[in-house]
Amino acid sequence: GAGVSQSPRYKVAKRGQDVALRCDPISGHVSLFWYQQALGQGPEFLTYFQNEAQLDKSGLPSDRFFAERPEGSVSTLKIQRTQQEDSAVYLCASSSSGGNTEAFFGQGTRLTVV
Amino acid sequence: GDSVTQMEGPVTLSEEAFLTINCTYTATGYPSLFWYVQYPGEGLQLLLKATKADDKGSNKGFEATYRKETTSFHLEKGSVQVSDSAVYFCALEPGGTSYGKLTFGQGTILTVHP
Repeated sequence: GAGVSQSPRYKVAKRGQDVALRCDPISGHVSLFWYQQALGQGPEFLTYFQNEAQLDKSGLPSDRFFAERPEGSVSTLKIQRTQQEDSAVYLCASSSSGGNTEAFFGQGTRLTVV
Repeated sequence: GDSVTQMEGPVTLSEEAFLTINCTYTATGYPSLFWYVQYPGEGLQLLLKATKADDKGSNKGFEATYRKETTSFHLEKGSVQVSDSAVYFCALEPGGTSYGKLTFGQGTILTVHP
């Protein structure tokens, strides 16, 4: 596609529910990132993939958060047993290679846990 | 760890006014520095970047100079337009072997009135 696509755009989950957020990166982009953006804050790094390999997951806040990119293209961020503090916008970004190349961001998924 | 601090907002200006949004950073080594912009309803977009000290990034009339001595990367524009209304994020990417992981500031909301 023309850009990074994320779905759903909005998700309301009851506390304790599991959610899955999808990211379709730009075709051919090797690098894929997930960020979490709380209201009024800047994005914070969650995890990084190079193709299908998850090379950095240091930003995942707890073991309830899990990300995968099994075929090196589409990625899914899964949050188990959602809690209110998980409410945020989840951003996906992709780039053609590593450092110093432009990262292209999706519009994000706004997750609200009630 | 690495961090980015932006001037507190929001910033409200009249059309054709001069804009400065301050950004300072803390990082080891020699990071690359970025300004991203988020227009209403859209994803983050790269506005400009600088990869080494004294470099000046520029785009769409915006400029920022990488000042290592003051660890700053202030964003400036000589004459803002209503269409510049958006949220602006300063960010850094660590130097050395980097795969593109970004650390963002908290963002500055800019509103330009006719």
